[in-house]
Amino acid sequence: QKEVEQDPGPLSVPEGAIVSLNCTYSNSAFQYFMWYRQYSRKGPELLMYTYSSGNKEDGRFTAQVDKSSKYISLFIRDSQPSDSATYLCAIALMNSGYSTLTFGKGTMLLVSP
Amino acid sequence: GAGVSQTPSNKVTEKGKYVELRCDPISGHTALYWYRQSLGQGPEFLIYFQGTGAADDSGLPNDRFFAVRPEGSVSTLKIQRTERGDSAVYLCASSLSAGRGTSGVYEQFFGPGTRLTVL
Repeated sequence: QKEVEQDPGPLSVPEGAIVSLNCTYSNSAFQYFMWYRQYSRKGPELLMYTYSSGNKEDGRFTAQVDKSSKYISLFIRDSQPSDSATYLCAIALMNSGYSTLTFGKGTMLLVSP
Repeated sequence: GAGVSQTPSNKVTEKGKYVELRCDPISGHTALYWYRQSLGQGPEFLIYFQGTGAADDSGLPNDRFFAVRPEGSVSTLKIQRTERGDSAVYLCASSLSAGRGTSGVYEQFFGPGTRLTVL
């Protein structure tokens, strides 16, 4: 079992839809949870970051973490064609004073006008 | 300000050849990471530098892969005797520090990557 599981999609939705993206992880020691967005032929860019169970909202984006279920989600409200990208969940463990990121496979999202 | 830059953006080489991939991190960032992203996969950690030293190289797949950061800024990832399975996008990221800040881990800023194709 991989440390982080993510459905690769693609996920196709019409403009204005609510999008739900999810990841599960296996190591309960993971402490920090992030969502990155990656456009085609670009590097990932950080969208959301949280370190506790619960919800964190930023504009149209809400990140949700459930540590008891080892489940993280990203919700996008009022999706736009410009949201079409690959969304990567990333989890970090602080170990020996530093952290590295463990990524899911990424979910490709297509928002049609 | 300038972000993380990587050169070349594309590299095509033949099986068995040697390649070097360069990363120029954000000025002032002491932590530098290399990741490899195969088609349809998320980035996988290769190596982490704090300053000039490789603090964690546990992700390097074998001894054909080596990376340096001699002056604590620019880093070069070196691949010897390339194989077709090495074809991937090699991503570099930098952060202010790899440690914990007041609100958790520092953000890693990624470059656009070098797309390596081994024929």
